[in-house]
Amino acid sequence: ETGVTQTPRHLVMGMTNKKSLKCEQHLGHNAMYWYKQSAKKPLELMFVYNFKEQTENNSVPSRFSPECPNSSHLFLHLHTLQPEDSALYLCASSQGETVSEGQYFGPGTRLTVT
Amino acid sequence: GQNIDQPTEMTATEGAIVQINCTYQTSGFNGLFWYQQHAGEAPTFLSYNVLDGLEEKGRFSSFLSRSKGYSYLLLKELQMKDSASYLCVVADSNYQLIWGAGTKLIIKP
Repeated sequence: ETGVTQTPRHLVMGMTNKKSLKCEQHLGHNAMYWYKQSAKKPLELMFVYNFKEQTENNSVPSRFSPECPNSSHLFLHLHTLQPEDSALYLCASSQGETVSEGQYFGPGTRLTVT
Repeated sequence: GQNIDQPTEMTATEGAIVQINCTYQTSGFNGLFWYQQHAGEAPTFLSYNVLDGLEEKGRFSSFLSRSKGYSYLLLKELQMKDSASYLCVVADSNYQLIWGAGTKLIIKP
């Protein structure tokens, strides 16, 4: 596997369910990110991890809980979501948090909350 | 507040040239990126400008004027596969990325 992978690619869940999104990067990068992309809106940065330490939490509701066990893996744990949380969730990585080299994105998880 | 403005949608003809403009107002500036995103896929990095001027990379070029808060992405010899959204992104003084909503480019034969 190369680049950034995400699983699952599609997820449908009820508001009372608990699920997790997984991201893995094979690029040797130090920083990993979770973004939310809703239709016709700019990407919204949710969380940033640099060397496994969370350095950014953009006022994300507590029903989203990130986990970064090591520099290659990133999880987003979901519970008691709302229908407005339906969106494309993108994981990205970069070589350092200064992002001047650009970020590499995974294919995303299309989440639908019913 | 911080803001990125780019046209919502543009249409161009295969083989032609198109310029996608982006203006920004941010708290500081540490570079501007252009990303390409095909429908249903992840964004992919195209270019990075931190100094004024034109950066050329094959059929794609990106221009920056920091004093005007302005950039453009120039696509030459358009191909059908260039149909995608093009995202303008600015890194502010804290290296936080400010994302534009994207310009959907439609290429017609």
